[in-house]
Amino acid sequence: GNSVTQMEGPVTLSEEAFLTINCTYTATGYPSLFWYVQYPGEGLQLLLKATKADDKGSNKGFEATYRKETTSFHLEKGSVQVSDSAVYFCALSVLGGATNKLIFGTGTLLAVQP
Amino acid sequence: AAGVIQSPRHLIKEKRETATLKCYPIPRHDTVYWYQQGPGQDPQFLISFYEKMQSDKGSIPDRFSAQQFSDYHSELNMSSLELGDSALYFCASSQYLSSYEQYFGPGTRLTVT
Repeated sequence: GNSVTQMEGPVTLSEEAFLTINCTYTATGYPSLFWYVQYPGEGLQLLLKATKADDKGSNKGFEATYRKETTSFHLEKGSVQVSDSAVYFCALSVLGGATNKLIFGTGTLLAVQP
Repeated sequence: AAGVIQSPRHLIKEKRETATLKCYPIPRHDTVYWYQQGPGQDPQFLISFYEKMQSDKGSIPDRFSAQQFSDYHSELNMSSLELGDSALYFCASSQYLSSYEQYFGPGTRLTVT
């Protein structure tokens, strides 16, 4: 079946530290991969995406590379800020009927301390 | 830019009551998805619609039903509410041809007491 596994949190970092949140997936076919971010009390925001192998998604200093050989899509940021504190969800998109539903990982809470 | 609109934002119901959640997609988006996020959980896909037809169905209880209307807005109807239905319900929309990229609304927080 299709599933997403991401590292458990919470992840606590000091400001300007390097961030890695691991994400691996299992899927039939060729899924698209996403990172969504959820700030406290808010909805889900698309952070970045990659639609095929070796694609690198990037946004707001965050990056993730679609690695087909390792079935991974790890999220990285070189220098985190307090404002990056949020829950991060890795997700894949699979075709169901005429539309693509998202399958999410369990989420990783990131807490950045000043 | 216009975003997905959900109403109401908060809803409190008692057990066995019914609830209706509404979703207005981004203009020119023809596909709508519903997700349920329990406390501390990841969002779970419930159901999707394209061009007013149900496209895919996930873990949606039989007590729930949904539809998409001619103006593309969608409604999720929930009956015989249970305490376990308390969750954040998200609607997302996309354009069919790029349906892998979904834009989420702010969610409706349903509390069942």
